[in-house]
Amino acid sequence: NAGVMQNPRHLVRRRGQEARLRCSPMKGHSHVYWYRQLPEEGLKFMVYLQKENIIDESGMPKERFSAEFPKEGPSILRIQQVVRGDSAAYFCASSPSVKGGYTFGSGTRLTVV
Amino acid sequence: QKEVEQNSGPLSVPEGAIASLNCTYSDRGSQSFFWYRQYSGKSPELIMFIYSNGDKEDGRFTAQLNKASQYVSLLIRDSQPSDSATYLCAVNVPRNTGNQFYFGTGTSLTVIP
Repeated sequence: NAGVMQNPRHLVRRRGQEARLRCSPMKGHSHVYWYRQLPEEGLKFMVYLQKENIIDESGMPKERFSAEFPKEGPSILRIQQVVRGDSAAYFCASSPSVKGGYTFGSGTRLTVV
Repeated sequence: QKEVEQNSGPLSVPEGAIASLNCTYSDRGSQSFFWYRQYSGKSPELIMFIYSNGDKEDGRFTAQLNKASQYVSLLIRDSQPSDSATYLCAVNVPRNTGNQFYFGTGTSLTVIP
């Protein structure tokens, strides 16, 4: 039973490029969450999705960031026109229900140069 | 006011001692409480969860919950150097959009051999 799969593990982008981060939840998990973690800081909630629906995007910046969880395929976190401040670890987590604990993926470490 | 507060540490304990990690939360509607361990450069992994007031034990780990004081703690008995990590407290709070997880910034624990 594969865990939460995130790719790529490391992503380097130049300022102004687009970053696309992918997350495949655990089998049977229909709730996906994206978090950002800056060095020496805690996990900051970004967005909560279920299949084809954004449930809560209150933690996501209004500009340049978007997320989707299509009916088929992984969840995608897209960052357009990246800036240096976007450099961080982005973690995806999934759960089987709204009450369950999260299982985290291994994260994508984004570096903007 | 932050949803979840933790002392960032660092907390240092000698090998074999008891490590005590504390967490307070602000929303009295919080329903469930989780402790995650995160090694440097790795993703958080779930250690324990607790829903009811009192103690819950799992091996060397004991989670304690006091809803009246809005306080949750994690005790690690017979601490080992391999327990050295950052410990994240997480709280599950019902919202209109579904349950929402809030994470503390984590407490860094070092177990000295």
